[in-house]
Amino acid sequence: NAGVTQTPKFQVLKTGQSMTLQCAQDMNHNSMYWYRQDPGMGLRLIYYSASEGTTDKGEVPNGYNVSRLNKREFSLRLESAAPSQTSVYFCASRSTGGARGYTFGSGTRLTVV
Amino acid sequence: QKEVEQDPGPLSVPEGAIVSLNCTYSNSAFQYFMWYRQYSRKGPELLMYTYSSGNKEDGRFTAQVDKSSKYISLFIRDSQPSDSATYLCAMSRPYSGGGADGLTFGKGTHLIIQP
Repeated sequence: NAGVTQTPKFQVLKTGQSMTLQCAQDMNHNSMYWYRQDPGMGLRLIYYSASEGTTDKGEVPNGYNVSRLNKREFSLRLESAAPSQTSVYFCASRSTGGARGYTFGSGTRLTVV
Repeated sequence: QKEVEQDPGPLSVPEGAIVSLNCTYSNSAFQYFMWYRQYSRKGPELLMYTYSSGNKEDGRFTAQVDKSSKYISLFIRDSQPSDSATYLCAMSRPYSGGGADGLTFGKGTHLIIQP
């Protein structure tokens, strides 16, 4: 049981380049989330998808787009990367068990130069 | 004022000591309270979960919630070097279909247990 799988694990981008961070879960969870973690800031919610076909903005959505491709996959796209988007990105999914049911991926470490 | 406040540390204690980690929050809509442990270069993993005021114990770990004071704590007894990690408090509103989904995290406290 792989849980939540994120690819790639590391990425270096130049300012203005675009890229898509991939996330897939094999637990049949309805809800999926993208967070970013910066030093001294904790984890902040970027976007979430409560179910297949729906997405909503979180606390820090500017500069990002998301796609809920199917029930398993939820991708995060940076259209024009900026140095301020240098961060560690975590994908999570949640079971119907409410707040206790989150499972996090191992993260994507992104550097924008 | 941020919704959740947590001292980022670092907090360094000798092996075997009792560790106390704390968070305060301002939003009374939070009803569910969690502590996550995060090792370096790993994702957060759920350590403790509670939804009511009072204490919840699991082995060496005790989670305490005081909703009247908007204050939560995590106590670690007989601390071990393997407990060295970042501890994040997290909170959420009820999942009733209205309002924003997701968890609100504190900044995390970096804990170091010295052998």
